Amino acid sequence: EVQLVESGGGLVQPGGSLRLSCAGSGFTFSYYSFYWVRQAPGKGLEYVSAISSGGGDTFYANSVEGRFTISRDNSKDTLYLQMGSLRAEDMAVYYCATTSNFNHMDVWGKGTTVTVSS
Amino acid sequence: EIVMTQSPATLSVSPGERATLSCTASQGISRDLAWYQQRPGQAPRLLMYGASTRPSAFPARFSGSGSGTEFTLTISSLQSEDFATYYCLQYHNWPRTFGQGTKVEIK
Repeated sequence: EVQLVESGGGLVQPGGSLRLSCAGSGFTFSYYSFYWVRQAPGKGLEYVSAISSGGGDTFYANSVEGRFTISRDNSKDTLYLQMGSLRAEDMAVYYCATTSNFNHMDVWGKGTTVTVSS
Repeated sequence: EIVMTQSPATLSVSPGERATLSCTASQGISRDLAWYQQRPGQAPRLLMYGASTRPSAFPARFSGSGSGTEFTLTISSLQSEDFATYYCLQYHNWPRTFGQGTKVEIK
């Protein structure tokens, strides 16, 4: 069974940093590209970032460009999102999702919650 | 950035009735459109891709249509488990963009 499990969320002060992880199992992790998508409380879905299967191509939403970095370690079947200079508007549930060839998001994890507050 | 607009924001439907959800793109996206179902407290699930291709996990009462800028998701006979929020996504251009969602509620 294809499974994605996010972790690393928590409470962080404005201006702080946090690293999210997404562990994959039940499939060949290195074959797939990935997305991060977030959802602020009571709001809709927002694309955050994407990375190619080998990690050489990365994409970001304008709202996080320069503050967030997506990466992956295929030897550990793990995707990462390094978040810096966090703002109140970054507070959300963060989901990772698989994709083939940067098409639609396919399988999603259950999400990890990031709270930005002093 | 391509803006995706969904209508209506909320749709009140009785069980067994038909529901029609719309999604409009601000520019042409061919058929690079997906739909997602999200129940409260759960992650989204892929419901449709390529505008009209349905994963096997979803029953045939769900259908999708459209191309270019106008897209429709139809649920032919609503069941209790279908009451949820539905989002469209365009994956034609970067950045990927979602519609704001349509909440399907029990009438």
